[in-house]
Amino acid sequence: DTGVSQDPRHKITKRGQNVTFRCDPISEHNRLYWYRQTLGQGPEFLTYFQNEAQLEKSRLLSDRFSAERPKGSFSTLEIQRTEQGDSAMYLCASSPWEDTQYFGPGTRLTVL
Amino acid sequence: LAKTTQPISMDSYEGQEVNITCSHNNIATNDYITWYQQFPSQGPRFIIQGYKTKVTNEVASLFIPADRKSSTLSLPRVSLSDTAVYYCLVGDITDKLIFGTGTRLQVFP
Repeated sequence: DTGVSQDPRHKITKRGQNVTFRCDPISEHNRLYWYRQTLGQGPEFLTYFQNEAQLEKSRLLSDRFSAERPKGSFSTLEIQRTEQGDSAMYLCASSPWEDTQYFGPGTRLTVL
Repeated sequence: LAKTTQPISMDSYEGQEVNITCSHNNIATNDYITWYQQFPSQGPRFIIQGYKTKVTNEVASLFIPADRKSSTLSLPRVSLSDTAVYYCLVGDITDKLIFGTGTRLQVFP
């Protein structure tokens, strides 16, 4: 399978814990995006990388959120001190230079 | 970024053609029109993208009038597996995607 992959697919955690998600983009896609989707809503942009550089962050990305893309390949999204409001589907997408974004299956986070 | 307006929901029967229209009155000159499909608990799947006139692929057709203020996604002969949420997006393809709430298509047998 050469699509975008995300790990884990599901994560259940207790409030206050830290969680980290991983995204592996399609090979040679230099752009990588993170989105968040809550029930009944469309995905909302969080941040994006061009190669290893993080070029834009949404105001939705509070100080508890951090994303990295070392070496311009896979990316991680960490949420510190999770809150119940962080429960959502976290989606990763990748694209080649100036082209269509392709999404992964998402990581569903449930914060108890 | 141009705002889009599309129906909240649509119903159809298997075998029928479904047309979902999206309004985007403030579309900019360099904006493209992109449609995504999303099934429950899955990421959005790219369906089709166009700039003007008509675009067709193996899944759907996209009709864009000359003024580009609207577009219509056409799904020929839908099946039960086409039941999903369909999002119309307008913007620079190099930029972040701005999703609305989409159109929930329900296909009945």
